[in-house]
Amino acid sequence: KAGVTQTPRYLIKTRGQQVTLSCSPISGHRSVSWYQQTPGQGLQFLFEYFSETQRNKGNFPGRFSGRQFSNSRSEMNVSTLELGDSALYLCASSSQASGANVLTFGAGSRLTVL
Amino acid sequence: DQQVKQNSPSLSVQEGRISILNCDYTNSMFDYFLWYKKYPAEGPTFLISISSIKDKNEDGRFTVFLNKSAKHLSLHIVPSQPGDSAVYFCAASDGNTPLVFGKGTRLSVIA
Repeated sequence: KAGVTQTPRYLIKTRGQQVTLSCSPISGHRSVSWYQQTPGQGLQFLFEYFSETQRNKGNFPGRFSGRQFSNSRSEMNVSTLELGDSALYLCASSSQASGANVLTFGAGSRLTVL
Repeated sequence: DQQVKQNSPSLSVQEGRISILNCDYTNSMFDYFLWYKKYPAEGPTFLISISSIKDKNEDGRFTVFLNKSAKHLSLHIVPSQPGDSAVYFCAASDGNTPLVFGKGTRLSVIA
């Protein structure tokens, strides 16, 4: 069974640009969550999608957005990039909506903003 | 407000000895707790979990203990192996909201 696939794995952008990250969940998983990992801050929740609907949103500015498609694949977008957006962006999937479920993570997309 | 706290950023243990990683939480509604392990350039992988109806859960060399009154959980690794060197994240949920993660503890197992 294929795991969670995130693309691209690495990317470099400059301030003011925008970026789109993609996540393909485990087959059959309908919930996709996104987390941001920065040094010293652990994993910060961005948002969760279940059956194409955003169920939860973390405390991030509106520059961060996402969506989920009918095949459960998800994308997140960050507009007007800032230096502080440099981070590892992790996508995770689970068979059910958030709560007492084990999340399976992808390897992440490492974004560097110059 | 940090709801899940891992107060030790790093821990160094000799191979064969016990590793104890600690986690404290503030939200009394949390009733499901997990530990994840993360190697560099990889995503976190699930290690072990415990629900609030238990105070201990064991899986091979890994045991998680939960003290609800103290809002504290710990992960014991016995015996520690060099391959256990990684960052360990504690996470918690109240069953309805997304997992809340701590900042992680970097474990180094020295041969």
